[in-house]
Amino acid sequence: GAVVSQHPSWVICKSGTSVKIECRSLDFQATTMFWYRQFPKQSLMLMATSNEGSKATYEQGVEKDKFLINHASLTLSTLTVTSAHPEDSSFYICSARRAGGNNEQFFGPGTRLTVL
Amino acid sequence: AQSVAQPEDQVNVAEGNPLTVKCTYSVSGNPYLFWYVQYPNRGLQFLLKYITGDNLVKGSYGFEAEFNKSQTSFHLKKPSALVSDSALYFCAVRDPRGYQKVTFGTGTKLQVIP
Repeated sequence: GAVVSQHPSWVICKSGTSVKIECRSLDFQATTMFWYRQFPKQSLMLMATSNEGSKATYEQGVEKDKFLINHASLTLSTLTVTSAHPEDSSFYICSARRAGGNNEQFFGPGTRLTVL
Repeated sequence: AQSVAQPEDQVNVAEGNPLTVKCTYSVSGNPYLFWYVQYPNRGLQFLLKYITGDNLVKGSYGFEAEFNKSQTSFHLKKPSALVSDSALYFCAVRDPRGYQKVTFGTGTKLQVIP
């Protein structure tokens, strides 16, 4: 149990286009989902925390108009990178915390975004 | 503010030898502590956690970690390393009070040499 999926696993797009990444909890309900960004050989940087049915809480320095997060249901959160630029190229990882769970986060496999 | 330090960028160990990956933390109050492993181009896999209770925590794949409050450490250990243990390991901490943010360390690359 407690599987989190991400789609797509990798995406290549042109500069200026928008890209949507989906994060799904497959066998549990997630009241809270987290979006992280990971640069090569670096740690995970928390971008935002989203709670189902409410606005996401963004970390300092993360542009909320550029990284749109929607958590419309207890099993799905989406991250849209708007007007992507090459510097947005990164590995994006989501995680989900189970409703009524014991604080453990379950991570998705990540999405590799390359902006040309 | 909470923080995690992993002082070693890389740890090399011979197969069959014991391994230790170090982690120290800073947080107000009693921490929640976690270890995760990441294989290339993959997300994080949970290994183990300390919430409360026994200081020695046993996790997946034969790993264990010891919570040491006086030294504010949570080192990851395994008695006998396998080549397949080679990966990137992240320590993480969360202050259980209030805000839910988990802070990750910078990661330690473990290389097990056959």
